Amino acid sequence: QLVESGGGLVKPGGSLRLSCAASGFSFTSTWMTWVRQAPGKGLEWVGRIKSKADGGTTDYAAPVKGRFTISRDDSLHTLYLDLNSLKTEDTAVYYCGTLRSQQYNINQWFIWSDPWGQGTLVTVSS
Amino acid sequence: DIQMTQSPSSLSASLGDRVTITCRASQSIDKFLNWYQQKPGDAPKFLIYGASSLKSGVPSRFSGSGSGTDFTLTISSLQAEDFATYYCQQSYTTPYTFGQGTKLEIK
Repeated sequence: QLVESGGGLVKPGGSLRLSCAASGFSFTSTWMTWVRQAPGKGLEWVGRIKSKADGGTTDYAAPVKGRFTISRDDSLHTLYLDLNSLKTEDTAVYYCGTLRSQQYNINQWFIWSDPWGQGTLVTVSS
Repeated sequence: DIQMTQSPSSLSASLGDRVTITCRASQSIDKFLNWYQQKPGDAPKFLIYGASSLKSGVPSRFSGSGSGTDFTLTISSLQAEDFATYYCQQSYTTPYTFGQGTKLEIK
């Protein structure tokens, strides 16, 4: 189960930290992701973080790179998304998700998000 | 970044109809294609990975096919609970981009 929190109203240029509390699976060994959805719009991939065993590295979508940071606290089974220098176009519901995988060949894995949390709304407005 | 384009953007159909949604990638992504279903107010739900592998528990009326750049999601006989928005997503390389969605409505 995944439960997001931390959303709210913030002014342009402001900051916010979203949390995603995980339970019921081996969080430490699981890659995690954030996806967002602006009101009335489609899904937009924000980024992912690998497990520490796989390097703990992060990847981000271009619109958020340099402003958003994904991190994890394995001791607390919690995923974070730090949002900085927020813009009005960052207004969205933010979903966290677990990344599952299935080996395709010796070098490649199919990767998908399942399950997802219920989402937390971030509104950037003056 | 790899662009994913779905067609149509919206689709009206009746109970029992067979429907097909198309997803096209801007470059070859082999079979690294996922499908999700989202209903209003809910988080997305995962349906298919690897272009054609159905998640356990997903009804067999759902099927996926394709490889390279062209993919399809087919629902063989629409049920009431299938009316939703469907998204494809490539997982060939980051950023794992989504299509813009296809809204399936009741005719």
